[in-house]
Formats: sequence, C-alpha cells, structure tokens
Amino acid sequence: GAGVSQSPRYKVAKRGQDVALRCDPISGHVSLFWYQQALGQGPEFLTYFQNEAQLDKSGLPSDRFFAERPEGSVSTLKIQRTQQEDSAVYLCASSMGQGGIYEQYFGPGTRLTVT
Amino acid sequence: GENVEQHPSTLSVQEGDSAVIKCTYSDSASNYFPWYKQELGKRPQLIIDIRSNVGEKKDQRIAVTLNKTAKHFSLHITETQPEDSAVYFCAASFRLTFGQGTILTVHP
Repeated sequence: GAGVSQSPRYKVAKRGQDVALRCDPISGHVSLFWYQQALGQGPEFLTYFQNEAQLDKSGLPSDRFFAERPEGSVSTLKIQRTQQEDSAVYLCASSMGQGGIYEQYFGPGTRLTVT
Repeated sequence: GENVEQHPSTLSVQEGDSAVIKCTYSDSASNYFPWYKQELGKRPQLIIDIRSNVGEKKDQRIAVTLNKTAKHFSLHITETQPEDSAVYFCAASFRLTFGQGTILTVHP
C-alpha cells in the first residue's frame, strides 16, 4: 500500500514568510509524529498526535511553530515568520497503534530552505 | 528527558567484515530501541528494533543487543556489503530520541 507522503518535497521561503508543510500518513494509522532534521544530524522530535489530539508538543522550538491534525488523518506543520535557523528537513512519521509502541514509518521529508 | 549518545561517528570497513555501532541512553524508563538506516536524501528506514524485555534480537546479517543495566545497546552487521553503506541512527523511547548518527562506508 501507499506509504507516508509529504508535500511539498522542497520549499524555499524568504525570511519572514509563513510556510505550511503537509503530511499524509498511512491510512488507518492512529499516531503521527513530526521531526526536524538539520544537516548532518539525527531527527529531533517536534510533536505527536494520537488521532486528532495533539498529546505532546514539547519539541516545538518556538511559538512560531504550529501543528494540527483536525480530522485525525492529514497533518499540517505551519511555521510563521520563518528564520534561517528553521532551514532543515521536516520529517513526518506515522504508526498504527496507540497506548503501545509500534514501528514508525517515515515520509520522504520536506526540505525547507529559508533565504 | 532522554539523551542518546552514539559512537563512532564514522566507520569504514572492508566488504565482508563486521561493523558494530554503540549507543547509550539516559532514561531508565525507555523501553523501545530502534535502529534506522538513512541513505543520502532518503527517508529513515527501520532495520531492526528491540524492546526492553529482550536482550538480543537477530535478523539475518543484523543483530541488536541491549544491556538495560548499563543502559547501552549495539547494532552488529556481519558480512558487510557495499550496499550497507549509509548513515545509521539509533533511537530510544516512544517519541524517538535519536543518536547523532554513524556514517558507515563499506569498501568493495
């Protein structure tokens, strides 16, 4: 079946612009995670949804970052007033379970470059 | 929160040799430890994982060992092949905390 998809794959934004990054998880997957991966680093946790509920947003670096998953499926990560330090690959992952630990399947990522 | 340290940062081996990558974690409550392989420009892909109730797990040429007392776990790749060349990340916990990555190069 289809895996996790993300769009756009590449985004160039001028400093100060707002961006919206989309994640389509695997159908039926309850849990959805966002990670930020800087060049040459491991992914870093941003936020976690279980269905439509955002259960953990402790990794969001500032109040310019906002994520939503209103119908418990597609999720959007929004970054307001982008800064150069926001340049990174944003990865989305989904997993089937809730209340337990299940494999996380990653999307291809969105590479954001802020100029 | 959880903190994961990974060593070495780079590893170069000859085809057919074994490769070992080690990670330590800080949170004794962590109970899930996956390993991901990431090729350049691609998404991380799970290659093996282990849960805290198991000390070792093997899948063909890949094995992972876990020492809960010492809070460290290791990835072992035997009979390495050039296609094993990639960046490998260990991770811990439910909301994954990743190590810094190991660039593995397998020379033909």
